[in-house]
Amino acid sequence: KQEVTQIPAALSVPEGENLVLNCSFTDSAIYNLQWFRQDPGKGLTSLLLIQSSQREQTSGRLNASLDKSSGRSTLYIAASQPGDSATYLCAVRYNNDMRFGAGTRLTVKP
Amino acid sequence: DGGITQSPKYLFRKEGQNVTLSCEQNLNHDAMYWYRQDPGQGLRLIYYSQIVNDFQKGDIAEGYSVSREKKESFPLTVTSAQKNPTAFYLCASKTSGFQFFGPGTRLTVL
Repeated sequence: KQEVTQIPAALSVPEGENLVLNCSFTDSAIYNLQWFRQDPGKGLTSLLLIQSSQREQTSGRLNASLDKSSGRSTLYIAASQPGDSATYLCAVRYNNDMRFGAGTRLTVKP
Repeated sequence: DGGITQSPKYLFRKEGQNVTLSCEQNLNHDAMYWYRQDPGQGLRLIYYSQIVNDFQKGDIAEGYSVSREKKESFPLTVTSAQKNPTAFYLCASKTSGFQFFGPGTRLTVL
């Protein structure tokens, strides 16, 4: 069964701290992995997409890594800001099927 | 201004009623998806469509129906057979591995 797990479910950090969000998946035969941000009551906004052949992707203060063999991805957020507070979801694509984690709810305190 | 629109933003349904959620995209994407999101859970796939006039059941299709008569539109009907329809519903479209999401519709059964 293709399962995606995100730990922790919730995380609270002070402003300015660097942090890492974790995503693990049981089936390593992935097509790609996508990280999303979701604000309360809103849709998902794509942050980064890593193809199965890639090791990492960077966008501004965000860096996502992928280790297919161990079934893990991390999202690194540098110098966190209160505006980063949201739920972060990872999603793993297998051909035409996409599996989502339950998300990590991040709170960055001023 | 390209994107995915969903309407209404909030929808209330009485027991035994069918309701239809709208999803429209002007991104010229072939593939469209409907997901259901419940608190503390990852997104679950209801239906998807790879091309006009074709659609496939996802993991939780029971009690739902869809149509894909136009490339731009993929409406979802929540029927009275769906026993626990209260949830947040997200529509998405896909191109080149990237999945884009609409703002969502929150359905509440009264």
